Amino acid sequence: QVQLVESGGGVVQPGRSLRLSCEASGFTLSSFAMHWVRQTPGRGLEWVAIISFDVTSKYYADSVKGRFTISRDISKNTLYLQMNSLRPEDTAVYYCARGGLDTSGPFDYWGQGTLVTVSS
Amino acid sequence: SYVLTQPPSVSVAPGKTARITCGGNNVGSKSVHWYQQKPGQAPVVVIYYDSDRPSGTPERFSGSNTGNTATLTISRVEAGDEADYYCQVWDSSSDHPAFGGGTKVTVL
Repeated sequence: QVQLVESGGGVVQPGRSLRLSCEASGFTLSSFAMHWVRQTPGRGLEWVAIISFDVTSKYYADSVKGRFTISRDISKNTLYLQMNSLRPEDTAVYYCARGGLDTSGPFDYWGQGTLVTVSS
Repeated sequence: SYVLTQPPSVSVAPGKTARITCGGNNVGSKSVHWYQQKPGQAPVVVIYYDSDRPSGTPERFSGSNTGNTATLTISRVEAGDEADYYCQVWDSSSDHPAFGGGTKVTVL
């Protein structure tokens, strides 16, 4: 069955970097768009980034543009989020989620999330 | 960026009907998806493309979308429906998905 497992979260100082991973199973990343979505504790959902199924398109929320990079490794069937120049406001639970061939499609599977805390 | 507006909370008695609205400029021209999130869990899609139900979503859940308002309706509400609900669309003008702020459904 489809499963997404995030890892790489932790506590990091402001200005430092962190890389999140999302290992997918039950499907191949090359067939689906993939997203990162974050949620501040007790708050709502904020979309972060998307990579299209064919990797021709990558889009970012304005709040992370220029600091975060989404990528994938098909050989490992793993999605990544490289986060640089981290700020306290980046503190959140980060989820990876599967989209579809159609960018307007729903996020039909989500990982369990990984917590990133940016604090000195 | 495209703004989706949801009421922060909705309270409903067991067995009654809960309606959660999602307002946006001409949202009826977009495809709306709805997610249910229970405490400590990841969101789960319960309605997609306005009114389609994934397998596993009870028939008590239905959706509609017209004009400036999309609505998630939960009929015969049960205690297990208590959760946060989020609407979401793809904003083609910014190439971004947009989420509503979420609605906490409380079963009295």
